[in-house]
Amino acid sequence: QKEVEQNSGPLSVPEGAIASLNCTYSDRGSQSFFWYRQYSGKSPELIMSIYSNGDKEDGRFTAQLNKASQYVSLLIRDSQPSDSATYLCAVNRGAKINNDMRFGAGTRLTVKP
Amino acid sequence: DTGVSQDPRHKITKRGQNVTFRCDPISEHNRLYWYRQTLGQGPEFLTYFQNEAQLEKSRLLSDRFSAERPKGSFSTLEIQRTEQGDSAMYLCASSFGVETQYFGPGTRLLVL
Repeated sequence: QKEVEQNSGPLSVPEGAIASLNCTYSDRGSQSFFWYRQYSGKSPELIMSIYSNGDKEDGRFTAQLNKASQYVSLLIRDSQPSDSATYLCAVNRGAKINNDMRFGAGTRLTVKP
Repeated sequence: DTGVSQDPRHKITKRGQNVTFRCDPISEHNRLYWYRQTLGQGPEFLTYFQNEAQLEKSRLLSDRFSAERPKGSFSTLEIQRTEQGDSAMYLCASSFGVETQYFGPGTRLLVL
């Protein structure tokens, strides 16, 4: 079992729809969770971070965390063609003094005009 | 630009040659990380520094790889006797403590 799992996609949604991206992780001790967006040939850029159970909203993006189910998701409302990218889920397993960040392989999202 | 910078952006080398990459983190960030990313995969952790101390190294980091951060500012990653399997994007990220990591543009390495 991979430490951080994502559906590789591609996930295709029409412009204006809601895109739902999912991520599961294996280590129950994980403490912080991140979503990065990566355009082809570019480096990852941070979209959202979430640390406690529930929802966190930022503009068109909502991150959801359920530690009991070891599940993190990202919802993109009113999807735009410019949202077409690979979305990486990252999980930091370590205690505050350590770095133990693990990334999923990413889900490729295509938003069709 | 006050973000993370990396140099060079692209490197083509022949198998067996040594290469060195540089990363300049965001100035107030005390932590610096190196990752490697191959096509279709997420970034894989290689090593990280807190100030000038190298605190963790992945088992992915073979003896041919060495990283330094001599003054707690910029860092270098050297690969000796490169192999074709070393071809990848090498990403540097920085953070302040355990806060969010911000990535540089990456160095794309191609070993022929």
